[in-house]
Amino acid sequence: AQKVTQAQTEISVVEKEDVTLDCVYETRDTTYYLFWYKQPPSGELVFLIRRNSFDEQNEISGRYSWNFQKSTSSFNFTITASQVVDSAVYFCALSEDTGKLIFGQGTTLQVKP
Amino acid sequence: DTGVSQNPRHKITKRGQNVTFRCDPISEHNRLYWYRQTLGQGPEFLTYFQNEAQLEKSRLLSDRFSAERPKGSFSTLEIQRTEQGDSAMYLCASSKQGKKLFFGSGTQLSVL
Repeated sequence: AQKVTQAQTEISVVEKEDVTLDCVYETRDTTYYLFWYKQPPSGELVFLIRRNSFDEQNEISGRYSWNFQKSTSSFNFTITASQVVDSAVYFCALSEDTGKLIFGQGTTLQVKP
Repeated sequence: DTGVSQNPRHKITKRGQNVTFRCDPISEHNRLYWYRQTLGQGPEFLTYFQNEAQLEKSRLLSDRFSAERPKGSFSTLEIQRTEQGDSAMYLCASSKQGKKLFFGSGTQLSVL
């Protein structure tokens, strides 16, 4: 069965600190996709990134970066120089080709000024 | 893209009543998904459609739940004889061939 674990329930940092959100997944599929979504207080899930299982290159987008390591089944997300606007719940998710997402429990990030 | 639209935004109902939610996906997205999210948890998959065909249903979707997507455009999710345990945020998402999923703002259901 597929499973996503986000062990960090809540993280609190001070603005400008770097923060890493952990994500560990389980699947028997050889082809799968990993996602990160942000859910601000407004409630709407905002897509951040999608990676397929064959692409282990790390990715950077502005202050965001993702580290995909198949050997440890992890897909961690780092925010550099965090800002108050980054405060939200962040979800890691796994899917097969259908697009059906299996979400982790989420990590609540609080960035204090 | 106008985004995924869900109505109503909030619904308060009494136990035992039926409720129906609507989701309008992004046009030309052939896949539509329903998820349920309770406080402090990640969204849980309920069901999905490819065009008008309902291809998969979660075991979470009891007999009181039914979803339709006539003509492969908008979708409705109906809950019959609501129970307090049905209180949750119901999220709809759409995608092109299961790639990036775009989510709506959700319908918050409160069953009193």
